[in-house]
Amino acid sequence: AQSVAQPEDQVNVAEGNPLTVKCTYSVSGNPYLFWYVQYPNRGLQFLLKYITGDNLVKGSYGFEAEFNKSQTSFHLKKPSALVSDSALYFCAVREESSGAGSYQLTFGKGTKLSVIP
Amino acid sequence: NAGVMQNPRHLVRRRGQEARLRCSPMKGHSHVYWYRQLPEEGLKFMVYLQKENIIDESGMPKERFSAEFPKEGPSILRIQQVVRGDSAAYFCASSPPGFRRAGELFFGEGSRLTVL
Repeated sequence: AQSVAQPEDQVNVAEGNPLTVKCTYSVSGNPYLFWYVQYPNRGLQFLLKYITGDNLVKGSYGFEAEFNKSQTSFHLKKPSALVSDSALYFCAVREESSGAGSYQLTFGKGTKLSVIP
Repeated sequence: NAGVMQNPRHLVRRRGQEARLRCSPMKGHSHVYWYRQLPEEGLKFMVYLQKENIIDESGMPKERFSAEFPKEGPSILRIQQVVRGDSAAYFCASSPPGFRRAGELFFGEGSRLTVL
């Protein structure tokens, strides 16, 4: 079974400071990893993904994430936070071995990011 | 290029009534997924469908819930005899076929069900 843990319910950061939102995962095989962002009363927007290749993945809005296989982590980062980054962030995982027939993603509970002006 | 369209955005039902939620995937997408988000929780997978086929319904409650994706028209998530515990946001997502975009889901704005 696959699972995702986001250990922080909330992260507060001052505008202009770097931010990190943590994510660890558990799968049997190779992971496909994703970050999504959700603004209030909206759907989820895709930010970035790791499938294979370079461990550092760059995504939308200046976000990046680093895949660390030994620590089973995929933390989301941004060098300089903006107030408009304040939202709910979800990490998700899927096993490579799920096969082409199923794209079921398992989501973490989400981390609320607040960027303080 | 329209995204994933869900309606209604908000739905209020009394206990015992039926709720029908509709989802039209993005153009060119043949895979539809339904997820449920309860307050203060993440998204929980419910069901994965392709046209006229249910591929994976392992997240669906055994009773009162059903889903379909007919050859023509939107996918429908149907909840019969709703109870207060069904109050949640229901999200539909779609994806194109193909390995390189595997798992990159495109989400609708959600349908928020309130059961009185």
